[in-house]
Amino acid sequence: KQEVTQIPAALSVPEGENLVLNCSFTDSAIYNLQWFRQDPGKGLTSLLLIQSSQREQTSGRLNASLDKSSGRSTLYIAASQPGDSATYLCAVMKVRGSNYKLTFGKGTLLTVNP
Amino acid sequence: KAGVTQTPRYLIKTRGQQVTLSCSPISGHRSVSWYQQTPGQGLQFLFEYFSETQRNKGNFPGRFSGRQFSNSRSEMNVSTLELGDSALYLCASSLPGTGQRTFYEQYFGPGTRLTVT
Repeated sequence: KQEVTQIPAALSVPEGENLVLNCSFTDSAIYNLQWFRQDPGKGLTSLLLIQSSQREQTSGRLNASLDKSSGRSTLYIAASQPGDSATYLCAVMKVRGSNYKLTFGKGTLLTVNP
Repeated sequence: KAGVTQTPRYLIKTRGQQVTLSCSPISGHRSVSWYQQTPGQGLQFLFEYFSETQRNKGNFPGRFSGRQFSNSRSEMNVSTLELGDSALYLCASSLPGTGQRTFYEQYFGPGTRLTVT
């Protein structure tokens, strides 16, 4: 059974700091890994998706890396801003035939202080 | 392109009642998945529909059911509501992935906040 762990559970940083969020998973036979952002009481916004054959993806100030063999992914946020405050979730997907299953971590609550 | 929409956004129900939630996927998306999110358990997969057929199911009791229509819109039904069913219910849509290598990238709606009293 796939288990996804995110460390730390909560993180508070001053504005402008670079930071790293961690995600680990127990079953390395994944199809892809997706990072999401969730604002309080809202749905999930997709940030980055990394296919199993890729090592990293970048979008603006965000960079996500994937090390399948060690079961780890990191989300790097450069020059953090108060607007980055949210819960960040990672999810790994397993595909078998036409079936797929997405397993989520419990998230990292990020607070960026002005 | 409009995103995933869910209705209603908020619901308050009483124990023992039943509820139906609706999800309209992004145009062209044929796969719709449902998730339950609670503070204690996080995000848990309920089921996934593709072409009006349930393809995959999570570990939830039979009180939770769903269906998908020919236009890919999906509904989720919970019967005999319990206090523990209070949660944010999220649906996500994605491209079909019919045997071809697609990304299966999930696009989520804003959710329906269900409160059972």
